[in-house]
Amino acid sequence: DAGVIQSPRHEVTEMGQEVTLRCKPISGHNSLFWYRQTMMRGLELLIYFNNNVPIDDSGMPEDRFSAKMPNASFSTLKIQPSEPRDSAVYFCASSLRQGASPLHFGNGTRLTVT
Amino acid sequence: DAKTTQPPSMDCAEGRAANLPCNHSTISGNEYVYWYRQIHSQGPQYIIHGLKNNETNEMASLIITEDRKSSTLILPHATLRDTAVYYCIVRVAGTSYDKVIFGPGTSLSVIP
Repeated sequence: DAGVIQSPRHEVTEMGQEVTLRCKPISGHNSLFWYRQTMMRGLELLIYFNNNVPIDDSGMPEDRFSAKMPNASFSTLKIQPSEPRDSAVYFCASSLRQGASPLHFGNGTRLTVT
Repeated sequence: DAKTTQPPSMDCAEGRAANLPCNHSTISGNEYVYWYRQIHSQGPQYIIHGLKNNETNEMASLIITEDRKSSTLILPHATLRDTAVYYCIVRVAGTSYDKVIFGPGTSLSVIP
């Protein structure tokens, strides 16, 4: 079991640039979550998908943020244009959406926008 | 908003049991209690979960009160490696509505 795989591990970019974060969930999992973590705000849920369909994106901070899940094995979180306040660690998690399966988190992408 | 409340920080002596409380007074009948921990800036790691009964695994024990309004995570013999932020969350099982919200958690410091 390879676990949830996120890439890149670190991203440094300049303000105004487009940033794409990637996530490969655990095979067979049908729920996927994107979180953002900062010292000030803790772990914030941005959006979650069930069977590749976005269910709730109310946590997405603004229109600069978008997320897609084109298939069961891949998801992206895009920020366009990026701003310094977007600097954070972004986590992806996946889960089986049946029974009481736990969320499994990736190791995160540390984004720095200068 | 998170549906759980936890103390912001706790200390525990190495080798002693660490008892981490969580209040979830508005929990619904179909919501499970889950515990995770986060070490440094790694992704949160699942520890244990339960619905009504007490649970135990190789990492910890979970004690849920009879009214299910609170729970306690027990690390029986805390080590320095257990220093982490511990999160208690509630989550509905088996539905498409799955807004899993994390609160600030409890920062546990295990002291030599």
